[in-house]
Amino acid sequence: GAGVSQSPSNKVTEKGKDVELRCDPISGHTALYWYRQSLGQGLEFLIYFQGNSAPDKSGLPSDRFSAERTGGSVSTLTIQRTQQEDSAVYLCASSPPGLAGTNTGELFFGEGSRLTVL
Amino acid sequence: AQRVTQPEKLLSVFKGAPVELKCNYSYSGSPELFWYVQYSRQRLQLLLRHISRESIKGFTADLNKGETSFHLKKPFAQEEDSAMYYCALSGQASGTYKYIFGTGTRLKVLA
Repeated sequence: GAGVSQSPSNKVTEKGKDVELRCDPISGHTALYWYRQSLGQGLEFLIYFQGNSAPDKSGLPSDRFSAERTGGSVSTLTIQRTQQEDSAVYLCASSPPGLAGTNTGELFFGEGSRLTVL
Repeated sequence: AQRVTQPEKLLSVFKGAPVELKCNYSYSGSPELFWYVQYSRQRLQLLLRHISRESIKGFTADLNKGETSFHLKKPFAQEEDSAMYYCALSGQASGTYKYIFGTGTRLKVLA
């Protein structure tokens, strides 16, 4: 499978529990993005990585949200003490490198992780 | 502030009719604009980008900097065009690789 892989595809958890969502980007893709897709809200930017560093974390909704990327590959989005308003589909996307350190401008999306907080 | 606005949540047209999906943006600089599409039970994927100036599946989009718009157009809609369409903006030209998406427009092409 050459596409972006996300796990779990579905997660149901109780309010107050922590969850981890994983994203395995396409091999060789240097940029990795996390978005949240809620009904009627479109795609809400959360964070993006260039290699292992995160130049822009401005979209993380609160300090309960964190993300890391190791080895320039797999990324984990962690939500601590989940709340019902965290229920959404969390999408990951990766992008290949372009010339001179730029990005090519095309995002390749995973199928998403649907999180339901009861 | 960077913002992408798609004013229509749902657009229904008959097969063979022209379609225009509206997108307006707010960005202080030179943005790059994209249209992404999500067909039923498929992943979100790139449809077209303004710098390519190409037509994909009969769709075109022209960047109008004066009106800050990037509307998506197709002269004759097909049933297989039914999908969710998202307009997106990136500030790559200024070194910002964050992509901002609109709230999306669901296009339904009726037989």
